[in-house]
Amino acid sequence: NAGVTQTPKFQVLKTGQSMTLQCAQDMNHEYMSWYRQDPGMGLRLIHYSVGAGITDQGEVPNGYNVSRSTTEDFPLRLLSAAPSQTSVYFCASSPDIYEQFFGPGTRLTVL
Amino acid sequence: QQQVKQSPQSLIVQKGGISIINCAYENTAFDYFPWYQQFPGKGPALLIAIRPDVSEKKEGRFTISFNKSAKQFSLHIMDSQPGDSATYFCAASDSNYQLIWGAGTKLIIKP
Repeated sequence: NAGVTQTPKFQVLKTGQSMTLQCAQDMNHEYMSWYRQDPGMGLRLIHYSVGAGITDQGEVPNGYNVSRSTTEDFPLRLLSAAPSQTSVYFCASSPDIYEQFFGPGTRLTVL
Repeated sequence: QQQVKQSPQSLIVQKGGISIINCAYENTAFDYFPWYQQFPGKGPALLIAIRPDVSEKKEGRFTISFNKSAKQFSLHIMDSQPGDSATYFCAASDSNYQLIWGAGTKLIIKP
């Protein structure tokens, strides 16, 4: 079991560029989520999904899109990158509403 | 705005001592209170969790104390070891698939 995998590990973008952060899990979990982690602010939920074809917004959804076409994959799209989106992004999956399993993170810098 | 307030921001404890991290919440609908541990460069991992129908839960050297009337809960690490040095996050959920996170506590255990 690979658990939750995220790619890329590091990324540098210029303002206005778009990109997709990949997240995959092999645990057959229905629930998946995306968080951003900024110093002194803990983790903030961007978007989440309770199953294939179902997504919803979290606390900070602006500037991000998600889709969930399969149980395994939950990509996060940055539509037009801004310096305020410089952060570490974590994907997580969960078999229920409780314990969440996190990926290793993607460190994104927007110049 | 639902909030979980965590203190202290950082904590230095001597090896063998007791580490105590506190969290306070506002939303009385919260019914699940986990603590996550995060090492540098890794995603958070569930350490221990509690429901509001009990006042204390112990797993090895880690104990959660829960005070429902005060809307506070805390993590106690007994016999703290250098390997416990990490960032600790408290969180809370009202069973709607969304965790609200504290800002984190950076714990350093001095040998």
